[in-house]
Amino acid sequence: QQPVQSPQAVILREGEDAVINCSSSKALYSVHWYRQKHGEAPVFLMILLKGGEQKGHEKISASFNEKKQQSSLYLTASQLSYSGTYFCGTFTGGGNKLTFGTGTQLKVEL
Amino acid sequence: DTAVSQTPKYLVTQMGNDKSIKCEQNLGHDTMYWYKQDSKKFLKIMFSYNNKELIINETVPNRFSPKSPDKAHLNLHINSLELGDSAVYFCASSQETGTLSYEQYFGPGTRLTVT
Repeated sequence: QQPVQSPQAVILREGEDAVINCSSSKALYSVHWYRQKHGEAPVFLMILLKGGEQKGHEKISASFNEKKQQSSLYLTASQLSYSGTYFCGTFTGGGNKLTFGTGTQLKVEL
Repeated sequence: DTAVSQTPKYLVTQMGNDKSIKCEQNLGHDTMYWYKQDSKKFLKIMFSYNNKELIINETVPNRFSPKSPDKAHLNLHINSLELGDSAVYFCASSQETGTLSYEQYFGPGTRLTVT
């Protein structure tokens, strides 16, 4: 089953902060975050692993709550370039595949 | 140098035709994937190959047949195209099969329109 993301869409002014949530109905081994700009391919942002290890983007942070089967992506001091659709991808240990979430459209305006 | 490339970028064809999409990666990765992104932007895995061997085959109609001649290439052939096949198809690759801790690199996508 597909992870659910919230909010579905958000509009920010440049410099504002945002939080995007990803919630799974299954136990998570890792959570990936990707950003997709309009008409382009998804681009990797971050991986969070069970146990707390992270790797990815310097200016974007995220959390992973294994107990709640949730992850949150924190975008601080947003820039125009942050606009796009954000996807979480969850790895639940079965089938060696990422299941992508429902997506969150983020738009940053001046 | 493009890491993951796909051809063609756009494909417009009529119902019933057969078409192929090609993908190549120069990252030295062992695993390649095909994803379908529909009009609602849902990104769903279709197939995955590890070193030319099929390891993931989601519930996809038999009209879709992937082929991996070597670990750097993964092609997708679609027979008897239907209107519902219209979507953007993304190829991706990652270092190893387990996607636990390895990021995926996506190609630019192929927008398929079936009329």
